[in-house]
Amino acid sequence: EVELVESGGGLVQPGGSLRLSCAASGFTFSNSDMNWVRQAPGKGLQWISYISSSNSINYYADSVKGRFTISRDNAKNSLYLQMNSLRDEDTAVYYCAKDLEVGGFEYWGQGTLVTVSS
Amino acid sequence: DIQMTQSPSSLSASVGDRVIITCRASQSISSYLNWYQQKPGKAPKLLIYAASSLHSGVPSRFSGSGSGTDFTLTISGLQPEDFATYHCQQSYSAPQTFGQGTKVEIK
Repeated sequence: EVELVESGGGLVQPGGSLRLSCAASGFTFSNSDMNWVRQAPGKGLQWISYISSSNSINYYADSVKGRFTISRDNAKNSLYLQMNSLRDEDTAVYYCAKDLEVGGFEYWGQGTLVTVSS
Repeated sequence: DIQMTQSPSSLSASVGDRVIITCRASQSISSYLNWYQQKPGKAPKLLIYAASSLHSGVPSRFSGSGSGTDFTLTISGLQPEDFATYHCQQSYSAPQTFGQGTKVEIK
């Protein structure tokens, strides 16, 4: 059974940092492209970052470029999101999601809530 | 960025109804369109990918159609477990963008 479990969310002050983790199981993680997607309270979904299976390619949404860094450890079946210089508008539930090669996000974690507030 | 616009934003329907949700892209995205279902407090689930392909395990009452800029999600025979919010997403070009969502409520 495919499972993605996020952790690391919490309350942080503006300007602070957090590192999110996503533990994967039930599929060959090292062969899978991965993403982070977020959802602000009561709002729609926003893709924020992508990383290729080999760790060689990554993309970011303009809203987080230069502040967030996506990475992965295929030996640990884990995906990460380092978030620096956090802003109020970064408050959201953050999901990790596995790419479906032909399009779309095939599997999602349960999400972890990040709250940026003073 | 490609803008995705869903309509309606919400709708009320009864069990057994046929429900149609539309999604329009601001430019042609070929068939790179995906649909998700999301229930309150839960992660989205992939229903349809590549405009019309049913994801594994998704009931056949869900179907998708369209290409270019205009797409539809149809639920044929709404079931109690289908009351949820539905999101479209384009995977044609980065950044992948989502529609604002359509909430399907019980009439």
